Amino acid sequence: EAGVVQSPRYKIIEKKQPVAFWCNPISGHNTLYWYRQNLGQGPELLIRYENEEAVDDSQLPKDRFSAERLKGVDSTLKIQPAELGDSAVYLCASSLAPRHSYNEQFFGPGTRLTVL
Amino acid sequence: GENVEQHPSTLSVQEGDSAVIKCTYSDSASNYFPWYKQELGKRPQLIIDIRSNVGEKKDQRIAVTLNKTAKHFSLHITETQPEDSAVYFCAASTGAGGTSYGKLTFGQGTILTVHP
Repeated sequence: EAGVVQSPRYKIIEKKQPVAFWCNPISGHNTLYWYRQNLGQGPELLIRYENEEAVDDSQLPKDRFSAERLKGVDSTLKIQPAELGDSAVYLCASSLAPRHSYNEQFFGPGTRLTVL
Repeated sequence: GENVEQHPSTLSVQEGDSAVIKCTYSDSASNYFPWYKQELGKRPQLIIDIRSNVGEKKDQRIAVTLNKTAKHFSLHITETQPEDSAVYFCAASTGAGGTSYGKLTFGQGTILTVHP
């Protein structure tokens, strides 16, 4: 079974430029998460989707970050414009719907973003 | 919201020794506690988890204990090997029924180094 796929793996941009990250979850996983992991810290949730609905985006900085999961499968996370402090690893994870069960989350390899 | 504290931040042991990492959580509604292992530049991988209806779970050299009254849980690794060297993260989440179900809150991580 294929795991969570993310692209690109690395991205270097100058501040104020836009950037987008893509995620393809494990087949059959209804729930998709975007996390940000700063160096030396644990992942922090940015947004969680159940199918195409964003059910928790309370930690997403909405002035510059946006996300979509139009068909309830793939998802894109965008930053526009990027700031120096956005440098981090952006992790995507997926799980079966937690509504009726505990959610074992499976992570993708992440996208390492460097903003210069 | 949930707050997870993890200790120690670094742990150095000799091969064959045991390693123990401890976490405390604040939300009494949390009922799912996974542990992730993250090697340098790699994705976090689930190594073991425990649900609130059990006090201990073991998988070969890895065990996790949970004390719901005290709101703390621990990871125990016996007969450590150099390949156990990595960053370990604990996390807490609510399953079905919680208002923020599905959201994993991570600890700050423990850098485990196993010396040959």
